[in-house]
Amino acid sequence: QKEVEQDPGPLSVPEGAIVSLNCTYSNSAFQYFMWYRQYSRKGPELLMYTYSSGNKEDGRFTAQVDKSSKYISLFIRDSQPSDSATYLCAMSDAGGTSYGKLTFGQGTILTVHP
Amino acid sequence: SAVISQKPSRDICQRGTSLTIQCQVDSQVTMMFWYRQQPGQSLTLIATANQGSEATYESGFVIDKFPISRPNLTFSTLTVSNLSPEDSSIYLCSVDRTNEKLFFGSGTQLSVL
Repeated sequence: QKEVEQDPGPLSVPEGAIVSLNCTYSNSAFQYFMWYRQYSRKGPELLMYTYSSGNKEDGRFTAQVDKSSKYISLFIRDSQPSDSATYLCAMSDAGGTSYGKLTFGQGTILTVHP
Repeated sequence: SAVISQKPSRDICQRGTSLTIQCQVDSQVTMMFWYRQQPGQSLTLIATANQGSEATYESGFVIDKFPISRPNLTFSTLTVSNLSPEDSSIYLCSVDRTNEKLFFGSGTQLSVL
């Protein structure tokens, strides 16, 4: 079993839809949770960063962390064609972040069509 | 965020040769990290490069295959040696500038024939 499980998709939605992306994990020591967006032929770009449980909102993006269920989500409201990318969840424990060691999900390929 | 320049952006190499990837950061950082992204797979940390000391490798990665240099606080290289088709991946340099937040370069797409 992988430490972090993420449905690779692909996921295709119409413009304006609400997108829900999810990851589950098995390591209860994870405390830092991130979502990265990766466009084709580009490096991952940090989108959302959350410490411990709770919600965080930034514009059209909302990140949720439920540590009791070991489950994190990213919601994209009013999705746009420019949101088409691969979305990667990543997480680490307190020590891991100090050494750049993130555990990534496989990534979900999202396409938003006009 | 950090500005991270990686070269080359892509290369096609023959089996048995080596490829050296360069990573330049716009300001000084203590640690630089090298990741591998295999097709359809998660990003995996290869090693951590500290200036003035040997790199620290993760399980499954060895110095003979992935030698790393870190001559100063803004630059690092990763060499992938004795290439085989299984080494075909994207290799990414990353830095931590704001505590717990990793920033990545654009990556190097390596194809081995």
